[in-house]
Amino acid sequence: GQSLEQPSEVTAVEGAIVQINCTYQTSGFYGLSWYQQHDGGAPTFLSYNALDGLEETGRFSSFLSRSDSYGYLLLQELQMKDSASYFCAVRDGRGGKLIFGQGTELSVKP
Amino acid sequence: GAVVSQHPSRVICKSGTSVKIECRSLDFQATTMFWYRQFPKQSLMLMATSNEGSKATYEQGVEKDKFLINHASLTLSTLTVTSAHPEDSSFYICSVLADEQYFGPGTRLTVT
Repeated sequence: GQSLEQPSEVTAVEGAIVQINCTYQTSGFYGLSWYQQHDGGAPTFLSYNALDGLEETGRFSSFLSRSDSYGYLLLQELQMKDSASYFCAVRDGRGGKLIFGQGTELSVKP
Repeated sequence: GAVVSQHPSRVICKSGTSVKIECRSLDFQATTMFWYRQFPKQSLMLMATSNEGSKATYEQGVEKDKFLINHASLTLSTLTVTSAHPEDSSFYICSVLADEQYFGPGTRLTVT
C-alpha cells in the first residue's frame, strides 16, 4: 500500500518557525514535493526533494531523508498569509503521478 | 511553470444530468494532465491520468464510464461527470505535468 503521514493541524505565531513533518510508505519513490493550498484555492508548488538533504527557497526549506522515508517543510518568519493547508506528496513513478498526504492545516496567530 | 485554467469555476446541476469541466494549459504543451477530486477538509485524490491522444488511466475505484475524460489536444482536457448524483458534489482540480505539476484553480460542483 501507499501512505503518507503528516500532522493534521499546527498552530504558530507570527514571526515564529514551524516544521511540518511527513513520513511516507510507497511502492515507488521519485521524490517528495510540498504544496500549499489556501482555502478554496488551487494547490501551489513549494518545493521538491529528489535527493537527501535540505533545499532552501526563501523563507521555506524542505528536507528529505530517503533512508528514513521522512521529510519536512520548514517555514521561517511566519506571516499571517502563511495560514493554509500544506500537503506533502510523493512522486510515484516516472509518469509524474503524485500521491498526496492528508494535509496539515497551519494557523498563524498574531 | 505552467499556467492552467479551468472552466467553469462553479457549477450547480440537477441530479441525473451531466456536466463538463474544461482544463486548459495556457502556455505549455501538455502531453499529460491529471484530474483530482477534493472533498472539504480532505486531501487531493487522484482520479485519472489524462494522456493526449490516448485513453485516460483511471485510479482504482474510479468509474471510467461515469467520469469521462477526453484529452484531444495538447492544451485541453475535459472531464465529464455523467448522471451526476449529490455524492459527486466536490472540488475537481486538474493539473498539468511540466517540470512539476501545476494546478488549475478548481471547479466546485454542486449536484442538487
